[in-house]
Amino acid sequence: EVQLVESGGGLVKPGGSLRLSCAASGFTFSNAWMSWVRQAPGKGLEWVGRIKSKTDGGTTDYAAPVKGRFTISRDDSKNTLYLQMNSLKTEDTAVYYCTTVDGLPPYYYYMDVWGKGTTVTVSS
Amino acid sequence: EIVLTQSPATLSLSPGERATLSCRASQSVSSYLAWYQQKPGQAPRLLIYDASNRATGIPARFSGSGSGTDFTLTISSLEPEDFAVYYCQQRSNWPLKFTFGPGTKVDIK
Repeated sequence: EVQLVESGGGLVKPGGSLRLSCAASGFTFSNAWMSWVRQAPGKGLEWVGRIKSKTDGGTTDYAAPVKGRFTISRDDSKNTLYLQMNSLKTEDTAVYYCTTVDGLPPYYYYMDVWGKGTTVTVSS
Repeated sequence: EIVLTQSPATLSLSPGERATLSCRASQSVSSYLAWYQQKPGQAPRLLIYDASNRATGIPARFSGSGSGTDFTLTISSLEPEDFAVYYCQQRSNWPLKFTFGPGTKVDIK
């Protein structure tokens, strides 16, 4: 069964840091492009960032609100995706979802598999 | 930057009725458009990709159409489990960004 399981969420003070993890199973993680998507309470979906597979360069791209503060990385030996979040702001409060990014090469764009999400609350 | 607009914001229908949801892009996205369903307390689920292809396991009552800037998600006959929020999504390249529409809530009339 294809599965993504996020962990690492919690309560953190403004200016603090948190690292989220996403454990993947049921597919060849090393070949997958991955992304993080978040959803603030009562709001819509917002893309956070994406990482390509290492064979496609392993590069990352980020949404403007998180660029310079968030870092996506991957450990293919552990089938795990990470989101390092620094300098957190109250507006980063959200459920954070890990997703695969699929499509026909080179145009990967839709999110096929989603985890259940992990909640991050930034509050003093 | 491409902006997605969805209409209506809320659609109130009864089970068995047909639902027609619209997604409009501020510039052409060719057929690179996806639709997702999200129920309360759950993660989104991919329904449609490339504007008209159903994802694995999605019932045939869900269909997508359109290209360029205007897209439609149709649910031919609403089942009780279809009452949810629906988002469209695309990717733009310059700058690289994945964008979701604001969503259409389909609720029970």
